[in-house]
Amino acid sequence: GQQLNQSPQSMFIQEGEDVSMNCTSSSIFNTWLWYKQDPGEGPVLLIALYKAGELTSNGRLTAQFGITRKDSFLNISASIPSDVGIYFCAGPLSNFGNEKLTFGTGTRLTIIP
Amino acid sequence: DGGITQSPKYLFRKEGQNVTLSCEQNLNHDAMYWYRQDPGQGLRLIYYSQIVNDFQKGDIAEGYSVSREKKESFPLTVTSAQKNPTAFYLCASSTTGPEAFFGQGTRLTVV
Repeated sequence: GQQLNQSPQSMFIQEGEDVSMNCTSSSIFNTWLWYKQDPGEGPVLLIALYKAGELTSNGRLTAQFGITRKDSFLNISASIPSDVGIYFCAGPLSNFGNEKLTFGTGTRLTIIP
Repeated sequence: DGGITQSPKYLFRKEGQNVTLSCEQNLNHDAMYWYRQDPGQGLRLIYYSQIVNDFQKGDIAEGYSVSREKKESFPLTVTSAQKNPTAFYLCASSTTGPEAFFGQGTRLTVV
């Protein structure tokens, strides 16, 4: 099936550092979603992107919808301990309504004390 | 508060047993989904339903069954035919757009 590749797979950073991660696909997506999953919990929607080139912020998080529509980027500024978790990108397999999502493999963020 | 409730949080199954995971939502969402997550991996779609009394297989439906008799409920049965059922199971729902909202998950362990 469809695959979304996320990189890096894991990141080890110090508190206060900025974080960048990305998600790429071999196919075009018309919506990009970014989720965060805490250990043992369900993913929580962070940001939704609907248009190529769109840049959207949610507090310290900023996500961009790539111009080619085959990629998306998530940045976190001035990381704090509660940013620890796994970040997933996701996109619908079609443009029609509430279609099923394909998820990326995730980027695991760890903050080194 | 509106949301998606999965129960139980932890479930233990003996080999050869069927078990049913519950998922209830009060968001008035039409679509509901079941995903499976294995350690260190992403989410894989098991089944989804876009309307009551209708559901479709996802990428890994073998060994699982679902029903959608009510809009609010989408239970998942893990049958004895599922050879490797130990995993974290996530239920989600969505309205007219693709944005899915997740429950807190059920961790199933075979003992």
